[in-house]
Amino acid sequence: GDSVTQMEGPVTLSEEAFLTINCTYTATGYPSLFWYVQYPGEGLQLLLKATKADDKGSNKGFEATYRKETTSFHLEKGSVQVSDSAVYFCALFSQGGSEKLVFGKGTKLTVNP
Amino acid sequence: GAVVSQHPSRVICKSGTSVKIECRSLDFQATTMFWYRQFPKQSLMLMATSNEGSKATYEQGVEKDKFLINHASLTLSTLTVTSAHPEDSSFYICSAIKGAYEQFFGPGTRLTVL
Repeated sequence: GDSVTQMEGPVTLSEEAFLTINCTYTATGYPSLFWYVQYPGEGLQLLLKATKADDKGSNKGFEATYRKETTSFHLEKGSVQVSDSAVYFCALFSQGGSEKLVFGKGTKLTVNP
Repeated sequence: GAVVSQHPSRVICKSGTSVKIECRSLDFQATTMFWYRQFPKQSLMLMATSNEGSKATYEQGVEKDKFLINHASLTLSTLTVTSAHPEDSSFYICSAIKGAYEQFFGPGTRLTVL
């Protein structure tokens, strides 16, 4: 079945540090890939997405590239800010597969000033 | 835009009472909405898929008589937790599909059962 594996947290960085959160997936069908962000006490917000192989999603300085050969969708940001502190979820939606949004377990990021 | 709201944002109730949570798509119509439950420090667990005008589809292990879902219009789905108990305390999040498959999430409802 469809599944998403993302790196265990928590991740603690200093402001302006480089961020990578690894995400790999297994899927039947043709998955679209997503990163969602959840700020404390809030619901999920779509951060970025990619719908086919080699697509790069980007938003607010975050990027992730859909790598079919490695079944990965790693999230990166060159210089994190305190306001980026949140929980990040990698997810996939597989049309022709499970037809559901499947989430990773989430990675908590804390950025210190 | 694509905005999904939930009401209430927080609710505290006594054990044995029922609680209704509303999920609304404010600026689009959604034939399909989803209800998730999120435990502390864990991912979202899909509870059920709510389709307008038809019965909800529940995930394995979710009690349909406990968690009643009604999707009476294209902009509103409700989740009623019946005879709530402390173990039902959780963060409940809904989402609505806009277009082919993109989901937009509500801000969540924190339920505390005393």
